Amino acid sequence: EVQLVESGGGLVQPGGSLRLSCAASGFTFSSYWMSWVRQVPGKGLEWVANIKKDGSEKYYVDSVKGRFTISRDNAKNSLYLQMNSLRAEDTAVYYCARDTGAFEIWGQGTMVTVSS
Amino acid sequence: EIVLTQSPGTLSLSPGERATLSCRASQSVSSSYLAWYQQKPGQAPRLLIYGASSRATGIPDRFSGSGSGTDFTLTISRLEPEDFAVYYCQQYGSSKTFGQGTKVEIK
Repeated sequence: EVQLVESGGGLVQPGGSLRLSCAASGFTFSSYWMSWVRQVPGKGLEWVANIKKDGSEKYYVDSVKGRFTISRDNAKNSLYLQMNSLRAEDTAVYYCARDTGAFEIWGQGTMVTVSS
Repeated sequence: EIVLTQSPGTLSLSPGERATLSCRASQSVSSSYLAWYQQKPGQAPRLLIYGASSRATGIPDRFSGSGSGTDFTLTISRLEPEDFAVYYCQQYGSSKTFGQGTKVEIK
């Protein structure tokens, strides 16, 4: 079964850091671009970042450039999102997704809350 | 940035009726790189349509997508009870952006 499972969310203070992980199974992880997409509860979806199959190219939405870093470990079938200098407006459910342009497969999401 | 505007915000229909959802882009979406997703409460989005008109794996044929350039449509030919949800369009021709969503609710 093709599956993505996120972890690492939680409560963090403004200015703090958090690292999200996404474990992939059921497909050849190294053959796909991967993305992070977030959603403020009750609101719409926002693409955050993506990374090429081999990790050689990375792209970000403007609002997280310089603060978030996407990475992957193909040997571990894992995707990561390092989030630094967190702000209240980063509060959201963060999903990892298999990226073929459209987002084919989604994880169940992990909640990140930035609050003092 | 390509801005996607979905209409209507809410669609109130009965099971068995036809649903027509619109997605308009602020500039042309190259190569019809337009997708549609369905999201139910507490769940992750599910890909329905990619490339403006191709159904994703396992999606029933009552869902269809059409359009090109700046105007795209998702049609649900006959609403089933499980189709009441929020629907998002997304473009991936220039970076990636989503519309704000259309809620299809039971009338």
